[in-house]
Amino acid sequence: EAGVTQFPSHSVIEKGQTVTLRCDPISGHDNLYWYRRVMGKEIKFLLHFVKESKQDESGMPNNRFLAERTGGTYSTLKVQPAELEDSGVYFCASSRNRGQIQETQYFGPGTRLLVL
Amino acid sequence: QKEVEQDPGPLSVPEGAIVSLNCTYSNSAFQYFMWYRQYSRKGPELLMYTYSSGNKEDGRFTAQVDKSSKYISLFIRDSQPSDSATYLCAMRVSSGSARQLTFGSGTQLTVLP
Repeated sequence: EAGVTQFPSHSVIEKGQTVTLRCDPISGHDNLYWYRRVMGKEIKFLLHFVKESKQDESGMPNNRFLAERTGGTYSTLKVQPAELEDSGVYFCASSRNRGQIQETQYFGPGTRLLVL
Repeated sequence: QKEVEQDPGPLSVPEGAIVSLNCTYSNSAFQYFMWYRQYSRKGPELLMYTYSSGNKEDGRFTAQVDKSSKYISLFIRDSQPSDSATYLCAMRVSSGSARQLTFGSGTQLTVLP
């Protein structure tokens, strides 16, 4: 079974530019999560999709971040315009809908974003 | 105050040593507890998952949860150089639709051959 994939692996952009990150979850996983780790801090939750619907977006830092999951398959996270403090590693995770006790989130390798 | 506190390390031990990694938490709503291992330039990989107080063993790894003290631990027996990685504790609540994980900051472990 293929794991969670993320593209690109690295992105270097200038402040004010737009960047779009992509996540392909494991096939058949309805739950898709975005997390972020900024330098020196812990990994923090951004948002959660169930299929194509946003279940919880309480971790999104501001309205410069827009996440979509059209068709309930892959997801994109757009940052527009990017600011210096957006630099970090963005992780995507996916899981099956098996009920809360049995849920295991599988993580992708992350996208390393550097805003100059 | 952070919801989850983790000893940051770094931790360096000789091969064969027993390693103890720890996290404390403040939110009593956390009911599911996980340990993830993260190698450099990779994503976190689930090692252990538990939801009850007590010990859970899997090979050389033992996860311990003490809900009354809000304290979790991961023990690694007979540590190997291949165990060198960052270890992250993670936890989540049991109720409602909130499924997001809350992570500790991670402990970087190096096992010296």
